[in-house]
Amino acid sequence: GAGVSQTPSNKVTEKGKYVELRCDPISGHTALYWYRQSLGQGPEFLIYFQGTGAADDSGLPNDRFFAVRPEGSVSTLKIQRTERGDSAVYLCASSPQGASGANVLTFGAGSRLTVL
Amino acid sequence: AQTVTQSQPEMSVQEAETVTLSCTYDTSESNYYLFWYKQPPSRQMILVIRQEAYKQQNATENRFSVNFQKAAKSFSLKISDSQLGDTAMYFCAFISNFGNEKLTFGTGTRLTIIP
Repeated sequence: GAGVSQTPSNKVTEKGKYVELRCDPISGHTALYWYRQSLGQGPEFLIYFQGTGAADDSGLPNDRFFAVRPEGSVSTLKIQRTERGDSAVYLCASSPQGASGANVLTFGAGSRLTVL
Repeated sequence: AQTVTQSQPEMSVQEAETVTLSCTYDTSESNYYLFWYKQPPSRQMILVIRQEAYKQQNATENRFSVNFQKAAKSFSLKISDSQLGDTAMYFCAFISNFGNEKLTFGTGTRLTIIP
């Protein structure tokens, strides 16, 4: 596609429920990133994929968070047993290769998750 | 670890005027990139301008320019002839050039252009 597409745009769920957020990167971009943006804050790194593998998942806050990219294109961020503190905008970005400054990230519009 | 600090939570300026947003950062790296991103209400982060640390010349993109002071670890954004469409959150960001794939963002500055 022309840009990075994220669905759903908004998701409201109850505490303890399971949530999946989807990211469809720009076609041909091998690098994919998830960031989390809490209210009033800048985005914080969660995980980076190069192709199908998670090259760096050091930003995932705990084992309730998991992400996959099985075919090296679409990625899904999965959150188990959601907590109110998980409420945030989850941003996805993609890049032709890696970031490292030389290759600019293109961001999607994010998925706003609200946990009641 | 790198940190990025934006000390101006909010700013406003009259249309057509010039405004400067401040950013400081802390790193022990010598080679890195700095960015300014714009986030309008649509939530999509849009790259405004970037600067490579080893380049002494300040980057410029049309009405947007930076003042990069490497020794002071300062990276300010100047917006000239401000337009209503410039109203947005602006984030300063840092990335190392040594295989680290993580962008580190500041907390942002909310800029409002007044008609």
